[in-house]
Amino acid sequence: IAGITQAPTSQILAAGRRMTLRCTQDMRHNAMYWYRQDLGLGLRLIHYSNTAGTTGKGEVPDGYSVSRANTDDFPLTLASAVPSQTSVYFCASSEIAGGGNEQFFGPGTRLTVL
Amino acid sequence: GQNIDQPTEMTATEGAIVQINCTYQTSGFNGLFWYQQHAGEAPTFLSYNVLDGLEEKGRFSSFLSRSKGYSYLLLKELQMKDSASYLCAVRDSDYKLSFGAGTTVTVRA
Repeated sequence: IAGITQAPTSQILAAGRRMTLRCTQDMRHNAMYWYRQDLGLGLRLIHYSNTAGTTGKGEVPDGYSVSRANTDDFPLTLASAVPSQTSVYFCASSEIAGGGNEQFFGPGTRLTVL
Repeated sequence: GQNIDQPTEMTATEGAIVQINCTYQTSGFNGLFWYQQHAGEAPTFLSYNVLDGLEEKGRFSSFLSRSKGYSYLLLKELQMKDSASYLCAVRDSDYKLSFGAGTTVTVRA
């Protein structure tokens, strides 16, 4: 089934630990995005990639890093998790960054940092 | 950056019409999107406006006025399954989306 997958579905993590959230899409979309969603704040962009090999910072990039080695995968790494990173994380992709191309969202990862 | 405002909550009756307003202030406008998000699920695309006017898609319509920094999403013939959050998102000149906090719509029988 075509679409975006994220792993894990949920995770409880001790503060200070390193964690990588995985995101894979099979739609051959050029652009990919990572958001966090917190109650009352809506979706906020963490990092994005308009094409394989390039990445950019979004609204809330501190404490997170990404890589885009190929078209399909866009992992998000928390180098040293802190409780304020407790959130629901959504990965998204779009065919290209512009035009009327909507973003397709993965099912999300619910992360709790204790 | 973007500043996007939409009401927090709205309640309506099954079969009725609801209009969700969204106002924005942007440093570079490159399109406006509406997404639907059911509780515990991912957002899904509803509509896209880049020029002024109304876009209609079945029971859902979206309107844009760029000069006023204003959009609305109109939901007609409300059904119970329309109970969800509706997210307004503005795209900037770098093709990044900024989202409003969302409007939770509750449809009552």
